[in-house]
Amino acid sequence: GAVVSQHPSRVICKSGTSVKIECRSLDFQATTMFWYRQFPKQSLMLMATSNEGSKATYEQGVEKDKFLINHASLTLSTLTVTSAHPEDSSFYICSARDLGGRLDEQYFGPGTRLTVT
Amino acid sequence: LAKTTQPISMDSYEGQEVNITCSHNNIATNDYITWYQQFPSQGPRFIIQGYKTKVTNEVASLFIPADRKSSTLSLPRVSLSDTAVYYCLVGAAYTGGFKTIFGAGTRLFVKA
Repeated sequence: GAVVSQHPSRVICKSGTSVKIECRSLDFQATTMFWYRQFPKQSLMLMATSNEGSKATYEQGVEKDKFLINHASLTLSTLTVTSAHPEDSSFYICSARDLGGRLDEQYFGPGTRLTVT
Repeated sequence: LAKTTQPISMDSYEGQEVNITCSHNNIATNDYITWYQQFPSQGPRFIIQGYKTKVTNEVASLFIPADRKSSTLSLPRVSLSDTAVYYCLVGAAYTGGFKTIFGAGTRLFVKA
């Protein structure tokens, strides 16, 4: 099946610094990628939809200047958490849609655990 | 977007069949029903997807009644490794505005 990777798998950073998370579709092209955030014992919360070659669409309440998304190619989207604070500590998950197959499935990455100290 | 309602948690024993029902009363004509499984600290994994009637694959079956206002994920003979959170989602496939919104999910705990 299709594979989506994320890098890094976990990162610890100091408050005030920025962190970049990469999401790659390894064996298919993804015109659309999604970024989610998940706090402990909670469901995934959609943050933004990333479209290749255009600006991301952010969900209500998500600060676009704090969570910078770049989708420069059909296989790579990046999420940069700028000026991170402890409340940004969370599990960040990306997914990609593969429209080439029979089913319109979303493939999820393994997630990135961000801890801001 | 159609909202989904699932039981918060379920318990089962190894070897039993588990059925998790999801309500989606406002499902639209173009919406598909998709189930995902998530283990702690991992991304969700696709289980099964359907539009109507019954769909079966190597890991699960999905039953959808004629009115499509609910769906039931059936896991045959569960094992300890099936302990996870299961999410039911509805959304329109093959349309540009499609995005996946997760509900609370059902936490399944399989006991020995």
